[in-house]
Amino acid sequence: VQLVESGGGFVQVGGSLRLSCAASGFTFDSYAMTWVRQVPGKGLEWVSVIVRNGGRTYYADSAKGRFTISRDNSKNTLSLQMNSLRAEDSAVYYCAKLGGSYDLDSWGQGTLVTVSS
Amino acid sequence: QSALTQPASVSGSPGQSITISCIGTSSDIGSFNLVSWYQQHPGKAPKLIIYETTKRPSGVSIRFSGSKSGNTASLTISGLQAEDEADYYCWSYAGSIPWVFGGGTKLTVL
Repeated sequence: VQLVESGGGFVQVGGSLRLSCAASGFTFDSYAMTWVRQVPGKGLEWVSVIVRNGGRTYYADSAKGRFTISRDNSKNTLSLQMNSLRAEDSAVYYCAKLGGSYDLDSWGQGTLVTVSS
Repeated sequence: QSALTQPASVSGSPGQSITISCIGTSSDIGSFNLVSWYQQHPGKAPKLIIYETTKRPSGVSIRFSGSKSGNTASLTISGLQAEDEADYYCWSYAGSIPWVFGGGTKLTVL
């Protein structure tokens, strides 16, 4: 299993960024996928989850209304569109595969998002 | 769902055993045997080390074990080694969104 995030970088407050996660080594459309973030030096925060066929999505309150999770099963790719970014959204963003027991059994290496004014 | 409560730090000497607790509620840990634990070394991604409360993924050392009593889950590391020094996070399915992690525990091997 390999998960590779991309798309992180510097963005101004109020701006937008789109993160991607390229998946390989497993049957992508058989698993729900999540985004988890971590402010450097702080704990893990669950951000969003999308079911296998993309038909249902769920968000943490901090992401609701601003972030959109999506997936393209034909390209084995997970995405996170982040709009109206705030300084407190600055973090390393990880994509993770949801195992059969609601565990996060595989993680990407993370991509750093820095939101500054 | 409320956050899961972990001690901020624990420590132990090489060869000793330590236990990290994860306190939840009757709505999460108390209702499901779906607790998982993650190990994170500095600058690295988290790694799953326990799932379904007590099971170890392939390749994870048998020195790591999980258990549960009531609303509290625990991770025990026996025969501490220097390489075990890391942050540890718990996570429990709660049947509802949002999902939350424990606050994390920093393990120091003295």
